[in-house]
Amino acid sequence: EDQVTQSPEALRLQEGESSSLNCSYTVSGLRGLFWYRQDPGKGPEFLFTLYSAGEEKEKERLKATLTKKESFLHITAPKPEDSATYLCAVGDSNYQLIWGAGTKLIIKP
Amino acid sequence: DTAVSQTPKYLVTQMGNDKSIKCEQNLGHDTMYWYKQDSKKFLKIMFSYNNKELIINETVPNRFSPKSPDKAHLNLHINSLELGDSAVYFCASSQDGGNTIYFGEGSWLTVV
Repeated sequence: EDQVTQSPEALRLQEGESSSLNCSYTVSGLRGLFWYRQDPGKGPEFLFTLYSAGEEKEKERLKATLTKKESFLHITAPKPEDSATYLCAVGDSNYQLIWGAGTKLIIKP
Repeated sequence: DTAVSQTPKYLVTQMGNDKSIKCEQNLGHDTMYWYKQDSKKFLKIMFSYNNKELIINETVPNRFSPKSPDKAHLNLHINSLELGDSAVYFCASSQDGGNTIYFGEGSWLTVV
């Protein structure tokens, strides 16, 4: 069964303290792995798509990487405005998206 | 200029009522979706609609029905609301069948 697991559920960091969020997946025929950011009271906002193992994408303080079993979202020197829930989703061979439950990231000033 | 807009943002209603949530996208996308996000934050797809082809998640009760008057609109109608329908409902759209999905801001439904 296709599945996406994100860890940790919540992560509290001090401003400037770098860390990584994990997204582990099992899927039949990976069509892509997607990272989204969701702010409270808002819809998810697209960040990255990764298609194959070894691929990396960067945007400001965020870098997403992909292996055959998992993806990491690395956050370097985070700021309070990076606080949000980060969602991971994988596309399967049936063109369905399977979503993880997200990691709630809190950056303290 | 909002890409995917949905109304109302908040809706409180009594059990047994019928309600609708409207959605419009101005991105020119050919696929629209309705998602439900429960209290544990899981996003679950309810429907996708592409060029008049409706794909229904079989777990969605038939009290829920999508209605698409045109390519830019996909409304969600819910009959006989139940307490368990309380959730956040997101409308979304994509151009390429799902690779990059753009979400609306959500509609918070509370059934009392």
